[in-house]
Amino acid sequence: AQSVTQPDIHITVSEGASLELRCNYSYGATPYLFWYVQSPGQGLQLLLKYFSGDTLVQGIKGFEAEFKRSQSSFNLRKPSVHWSDAAEYFCAVGASGGGGADGLTFGKGTHLIIQP
Amino acid sequence: DTEVTQTPKHLVMGMTNKKSLKCEQHMGHRAMYWYKQKAKKPPELMFVYSYEKLSINESVPSRFSPECPNSSLLNLHLHALQPEDSALYLCASSPLWDLEETQYFGPGTRLLVL
Repeated sequence: AQSVTQPDIHITVSEGASLELRCNYSYGATPYLFWYVQSPGQGLQLLLKYFSGDTLVQGIKGFEAEFKRSQSSFNLRKPSVHWSDAAEYFCAVGASGGGGADGLTFGKGTHLIIQP
Repeated sequence: DTEVTQTPKHLVMGMTNKKSLKCEQHMGHRAMYWYKQKAKKPPELMFVYSYEKLSINESVPSRFSPECPNSSLLNLHLHALQPEDSALYLCASSPLWDLEETQYFGPGTRLLVL
């Protein structure tokens, strides 16, 4: 079964500074990887996803993520954060094979705090 | 229109009540999902409907009863819930039941069971 680890429960970053959120996954085959963002009291919004191909994936709101198979990682980055980026960020993995399989498995999330 | 709507936004119910959560999408998606999210925790998949048929039931207690009356609508019927069922219930949809398809989430219904 697949699993996801987000090692950082909280991260504090100054506005305008760069950001990297870590995500490690465990899955035997090529995983389907996702980053979602959740603002307080809201549903989840997809930032980006990776299935295959170019290992550097561009997403919405200026985010990007890099898939590194050797490190089983899919870290999320942003060169310059804005106060509106403060939210909960979830990394998720899905089993390949189509048909939706077992659905998405989410990490525990990283709470991003932006300092003025 | 890339919106999934959920009603009500908030719900308070007693353990003997019967209530329903409603989810609607008009994007023509044929897969719909219910997730449960406890405070400070990630979402956990409860049910998946594909072409209005229940495809996944993640060992959810029978006091939660899903229903998909048509391709745009997904309900979650609640009966005899426990206080530990208090959570944010998220609905999502995707074009097909396939992980390559993006899941679009609604804002959720925040449920409190007294």
